[in-house]
Amino acid sequence: EAGVVQSPRYKIIEKKQPVAFWCNPISGHNTLYWYLQNLGQGPELLIRYENEEAVDDSQLPKDRFSAERLKGVDSTLKIQPAELGDSAVYLCASSLGGGQGVDEQFFGPGTRLTVL
Amino acid sequence: GENVEQHPSTLSVQEGDSAVIKCTYSDSASNYFPWYKQELGKRPQLIIDIRSNVGEKKDQRIAVTLNKTAKHFSLHITETQPEDSAVYFCASLKRGSNYKLTFGKGTLLTVNP
Repeated sequence: EAGVVQSPRYKIIEKKQPVAFWCNPISGHNTLYWYLQNLGQGPELLIRYENEEAVDDSQLPKDRFSAERLKGVDSTLKIQPAELGDSAVYLCASSLGGGQGVDEQFFGPGTRLTVL
Repeated sequence: GENVEQHPSTLSVQEGDSAVIKCTYSDSASNYFPWYKQELGKRPQLIIDIRSNVGEKKDQRIAVTLNKTAKHFSLHITETQPEDSAVYFCASLKRGSNYKLTFGKGTLLTVNP
C-alpha cells in the first residue's frame, strides 16, 4: 500500500513568488492534515480536512496561505506571496477519520521550501 | 491551548544502554499520546502511542508510561542500537471534535557504537 505522497520534495523560490504543494493521502483516509515544521521544532498544524471540508484552519495565515481539497482526496497548499520566514518543511498527513475515535496519523515525506 | 514540553532536547547514550525521554502536557482533557521517530530528512513515523485509559504500553524494546495525575508521559527505549539514532517527538491530542496533535520540540537521540 502506498503511503502519503507529496510533491515536490524540494522547492527553492525567491521571495514574493507563489508556490504550491501537493499531497495525495493514503487511499480511503478521510482526514487530511497540513503541518509546518521549522528546523529543530515539532510539526505545527496549519489546517485539517474531513473529506472536502476544512474543519480546522485556525492556524493557517489566511492573508497569504490557502488550501483546497476539492474532491475530498488530494489536496493543494498554496503560498502567495512567499516570504523569507516561510522557509520550512511542509508535511502532509492523513488518517482514517470519519468517526469519533482517535486514529493514527501517517505522514508524507514533506516538501522542503527555501525562500531566497 | 495545549502546551507540550519535552526533555531533554539532546540525549547521547552508549549502545546497549537505555534512553528515557519525558514530556509534560497542560490540558487535562488530552487523551491520546503518540510518539514519533524522525530520521534526518525523512517523515515522522509513529513508533508507539498510548491512550488515557492505560498507564503503560510496551512494544519490544520500546515502552511508554502515562501519569494522568501529573500530566506527564515518557518514552523508554531499552538495549539501544545505532539505528535508534533520530529525533523523537512526543505529542498530545485533546478529546473532542478538534483532533489537533500538539507536538513537543523533539529530542535528538544519538546512540554511540
